[in-house]
Amino acid sequence: EPEVTQTPSHQVTQMGQEVILRCVPISNHLYFYWYRQILGQKVEFLVSFYNNEISEKSEIFDDQFSVERPDGSNFTLKIRSTKLEDSAMYFCASNRRGVYEQYFGPGTRLTVT
Amino acid sequence: DQQVKQNSPSLSVQEGRISILNCDYTNSMFDYFLWYKKYPAEGPTFLISISSIKDKNEDGRFTVFLNKSAKHLSLHIVPSQPGDSAVYFCAASALADSNYQLIWGAGTKLIIKP
Repeated sequence: EPEVTQTPSHQVTQMGQEVILRCVPISNHLYFYWYRQILGQKVEFLVSFYNNEISEKSEIFDDQFSVERPDGSNFTLKIRSTKLEDSAMYFCASNRRGVYEQYFGPGTRLTVT
Repeated sequence: DQQVKQNSPSLSVQEGRISILNCDYTNSMFDYFLWYKKYPAEGPTFLISISSIKDKNEDGRFTVFLNKSAKHLSLHIVPSQPGDSAVYFCAASALADSNYQLIWGAGTKLIIKP
C-alpha cells in the first residue's frame, strides 16, 4: 500500500540554522500539507499546497517558513532560522482530489538546541 | 476560536467494554467529519469518516455517530482492545472548501486497561 514518507526521522540543529524537512507524498495525490505537534500539545496545521502554490497557511507559518515542490515527488518544508520553539514533530500529509482523508507520514522530530 | 472541540483530554476504559469519544463543533458549514488515531512518535492514521447526509457510519469495531442539530459527533469502539490505546483526533471540513482543509480538535487520549 502506498504511503507518505518523510526524511530525516530526527533532525538536531542549532538555533539560527536553516533546516529542510523532506516528504514524498503518495504519488497520485495532489494536495499536500505540513502540520506540527509540539510535545504534549495538539496537532497544528501549518500550510496546504496545491498546484505549485500555497492554498492556505496558519499564523504559525510566518516568513521563516517556506514550502516547495522541487520535482514531481518531493515536498519540502524549510525553516530559515530555527528557534528553540520550533522544536516539534513535523508531519507531512497528502490527499487526492475529491477525497478529504489525508494520509500522514511518520513525522520528523526536529530538535533545536 | 476552537471550531472543533474534544473536551475530554483522556479516557480510561476496561478492555472488552465500549469506548465512546466525543467531539463538538461550532461551524455550521462543516459537513464532513473524520476520526484519526495517533500513536506516540507516529503520524495520525485515518480511521473513519462521516458525511453530514448520514447520521451513522460503521466500520468493523468502529462506529461514528453524527448529531447535526447538536453539532456533536462521537466515535464508538466496541469491544475495546489494548491496541486501541492511542490519542484520537476529530477533524472537520466543509465540502465547499476546495482546499480540503481539515480543522482539528485537541485530541483525547484513550487508555484501555487490561
